[in-house]
Amino acid sequence: GIQVEQSPPDLILQEGANSTLRCNFSDSVNNLQWFHQNPWGQLINLFYIPSGTKQNGRLSATTVATERYSLLYISSSQTTDSGVYFCAVSGGGSNYKLTFGKGTLLTVNP
Amino acid sequence: EAGVTQSPTHLIKTRGQQATLRCSPISGHTSVYWYQQALGLGLQFLLWYDEGEERNRGNFPPRFSGRQFPNYSSELNVNALELEDSALYLCASSLAGTLNYGYTFGSGTRLTVV
Repeated sequence: GIQVEQSPPDLILQEGANSTLRCNFSDSVNNLQWFHQNPWGQLINLFYIPSGTKQNGRLSATTVATERYSLLYISSSQTTDSGVYFCAVSGGGSNYKLTFGKGTLLTVNP
Repeated sequence: EAGVTQSPTHLIKTRGQQATLRCSPISGHTSVYWYQQALGLGLQFLLWYDEGEERNRGNFPPRFSGRQFPNYSSELNVNALELEDSALYLCASSLAGTLNYGYTFGSGTRLTVV
């Protein structure tokens, strides 16, 4: 099945700093989503982005499908941005399910 | 528009018992997916239901089962509970056959087996 690798596994920032999270995947995809898991466990959908670039406030994402990677940018980070960020994809013949990476644990300190 | 709702929020069961978890998808969504997030194991695909039928399942034993009702809500049943079944169980829904908007997840049910 399709493989998803996220980096870095852990990231510690000071409030106000910018960061880039990366997601590499092993096959062509028809769905790619970035999620933020809050402290209560809920997965909050940040972007649906199988290709191209999108922006939502301080967050933006870019997926280069031909090179099989996606990037999530967080600018002017806030303590509320802390949590685990997951990249999830479907494709490679398994269109029905999302395969998740192991996530990036982001800690933003005041 | 209401999101994906799951109940109960927390569930504590004894080893060997059965657990039933419930999920209501977003209105108009016909596909429901179940995922397990156990400590140290990441998010693992469990089951996919669409139009009332089980379409596929992940690498889980048969004691993990479920169903989808005519209103597209879904139930996950875990029989003969084992300690390692303790996990966060997340349900997601999507419009079947289209992936233009992706999957939306509920808040999850945290199952603890003692």
